[in-house]
Amino acid sequence: SQQGEEDPQALSIQEGENATMNCSYKTSINNLQWYRQNSGRGLVHLILIRSNEREKHSGRLRVTLDTSKKSSSLLITASRAADTASYFCATDKNYGQNFVFGPGTRLSVLP
Amino acid sequence: NAGVTQTPKFRVLKTGQSMTLLCAQDMNHEYMYWYRQDPGMGLRLIHYSVGEGTTAKGEVPDGYNVSRLKKQNFLLGLESAAPSQTSVYFCASSYRTALHTEAFFGQGTRLTVV
Repeated sequence: SQQGEEDPQALSIQEGENATMNCSYKTSINNLQWYRQNSGRGLVHLILIRSNEREKHSGRLRVTLDTSKKSSSLLITASRAADTASYFCATDKNYGQNFVFGPGTRLSVLP
Repeated sequence: NAGVTQTPKFRVLKTGQSMTLLCAQDMNHEYMYWYRQDPGMGLRLIHYSVGEGTTAKGEVPDGYNVSRLKKQNFLLGLESAAPSQTSVYFCASSYRTALHTEAFFGQGTRLTVV
C-alpha cells in the first residue's frame, strides 16, 4: 500500500495565488521529500524535511511536517504558470533505501 | 554532467517478448531504483539496489528482474512482457548518507506492450 497520499488530487489556481498541497503517511519516517514532475518528464527534487524539523523554506516553497499527525504540507507562494506540474511527496524510512511516493497532486496555474 | 540516463526512451513490445531497460548514473551513487508510473497511481517501486551486486524487491516486483553488476548501472528486465506492464518506467539514484538522500531521476522509458 502507498505510504504517502497527497491531497487534493488536482488543484487549479490563478497566477499569483498561493498553492497548498498536503501529504499524509502511515508509518514512522526519517525524512519526507517533495518532488515536482513536469508533463512527460522525470521527477525533480524540491525540498527535504527531516523528522526532527517542523518547517523548512526554499525560495517560494514552504514545507511543514507534523509527525504527530503523520502529515506534511507544501506551500508555493506567488505561483507562476511555470509551476504547473504534478507534485509528489516521498517518505523515507531507512535513509534512502526505499523511497515510497504518493499518487501526487496535479497543479494547474492559470495565467 | 549527464546525471541519470535511461535507454531506450520509447519501446513497443509484443506480448511474450523480452527486453532490458538500462539505467546509468555518473554521480557515484550507492542506491539505485526502478519505478513504474501509471495514471492515477503515482510511482510504485519495482526493485532497488543498495550497492553493487545487491538487489531487493520493492512494492511491485512480479514479472521483473534486475541486476547491478556495476555500480553505475542498474538493469531492469522483462522476461515475458504482458499488457499489464504497459507503463512509464523511471530509474533513480541517490547517495547513501543520512544527510543527502534525495533521489535523482532519469527522463523515463515509455513502454507499450501490445
